Amino acid sequence: GENVEQHPSTLSVQEGDSAVIKCTYSDSASNYFPWYKQELGKRPQLIIDIRSNVGEKKDQRIAVTLNKTAKHFSLHITETQPEDSAVYFCAASGARGSYIPTFGRGTSLIVHP
Amino acid sequence: GAGVSQTPSNKVTEKGKYVELRCDPISGHTALYWYRQSLGQGPEFLIYFQGTGAADDSGLPNDRFFAVRPEGSVSTLKIQRTERGDSAVYLCASSRNGQGDTEAFFGQGTRLTVV
Repeated sequence: GENVEQHPSTLSVQEGDSAVIKCTYSDSASNYFPWYKQELGKRPQLIIDIRSNVGEKKDQRIAVTLNKTAKHFSLHITETQPEDSAVYFCAASGARGSYIPTFGRGTSLIVHP
Repeated sequence: GAGVSQTPSNKVTEKGKYVELRCDPISGHTALYWYRQSLGQGPEFLIYFQGTGAADDSGLPNDRFFAVRPEGSVSTLKIQRTERGDSAVYLCASSRNGQGDTEAFFGQGTRLTVV
């Protein structure tokens, strides 16, 4: 089955800095890569996703890049704000016979004012 | 409802007891997933329904865990003879189809504590 590795587990930045979170996946047939943000005590919520026919996607301060050859994808947050502080999870799914999103272990992002 | 609803939000039970956790997915979503999340970890897959049938239950840790979705909407996760190691947040998610290429919407979760 699919295996997703996520790094770093904790990321501490100053407000206004950029933050990058990286994930790798094992199943080359996976074709859908969502990113979820989970605030303390709340449900995971989708912030951005990318499909395998696209190499990069951007939404305001958030961008995701995908390298299919290397089987890794990254989340980039620019001009970080304290409200960006949360746990971020990457996931991979959509492979033939593997329709179940497999999640990384999460990255705790702390943005210091 | 507008989103995925899970009840109860919190459940404290004694070791050895039976519990049921309920998930009400977004109307019209055919795919439903159960995950378990321990502190500091990502959601860990338990079981996936496509319609009424369990399409994949390979994530259930043992035969004390069982889930149903009799009418293709509401699902119930059932845990028999609970153990302290079952303590976690149980998350339910639904998506429009079961192709794994659309957003999965999560419920708030049920925090299960086995004492």
